[in-house]
Amino acid sequence: AQTVTQSQPEMSVQEAETVTLSCTYDTSESNYYLFWYKQPPSRQMILVIRQEAYKQQNATENRFSVNFQKAAKSFSLKISDSQLGDTAMYFCAFMRASAPGNTPLVFGKGTRLSVIA
Amino acid sequence: DAGVTQSPTHLIKTRGQHVTLRCSPISGHKSVSWYQQVLGQGPQFIFQYYEKEERGRGNFPDRFSARQFPNYSSELNVNALLLGDSALYLCASRPPGLGTDTQYFGPGTRLTVL
Repeated sequence: AQTVTQSQPEMSVQEAETVTLSCTYDTSESNYYLFWYKQPPSRQMILVIRQEAYKQQNATENRFSVNFQKAAKSFSLKISDSQLGDTAMYFCAFMRASAPGNTPLVFGKGTRLSVIA
Repeated sequence: DAGVTQSPTHLIKTRGQHVTLRCSPISGHKSVSWYQQVLGQGPQFIFQYYEKEERGRGNFPDRFSARQFPNYSSELNVNALLLGDSALYLCASRPPGLGTDTQYFGPGTRLTVL
């Protein structure tokens, strides 16, 4: 079974600064996907960024980027130029690559990020 | 296009009652998954349906059941509610086709069991 660990329950960052959220995972699979989801107080789970395990290049989406270390099974999220709207719970998630329809997401326990003005 | 929709938004039930939660996927999506998110935790997988068939089930008791309809909407049913069933229930849909891995979530249904 796959497990996802987020070792930082809470973090804070000053507006406009950079913050890195950590995530490690355990799997025997060779092909999989990794995700970071954001859940603001409104509860809506929003996809921030995704990474395909077979791709060496780290994914980037505007101010969000990841550091994917496959051998170390590490998948950290870097948020640059933090904004007040980035305040939310951030969840790291794992999904095996398989035929459509039978691969659920496995989530970590989340990191609560507060951006301070 | 409309996102994933869920109803109701909030629900209060008492122990022993039955509840039905509803989900409509994004248009064109054929896969629907249900997750339970207890306060302070990450979501836990309950069920996955694809093309109206159950394709996966998490570690939940038989009190939990679900189905998917011909229009790909889905219902999650929970019988004999316990206090521990209080949680946010999330529905997610996924587009068809190989390589389509991203799940899109609805706003959730907050269930409180008293």
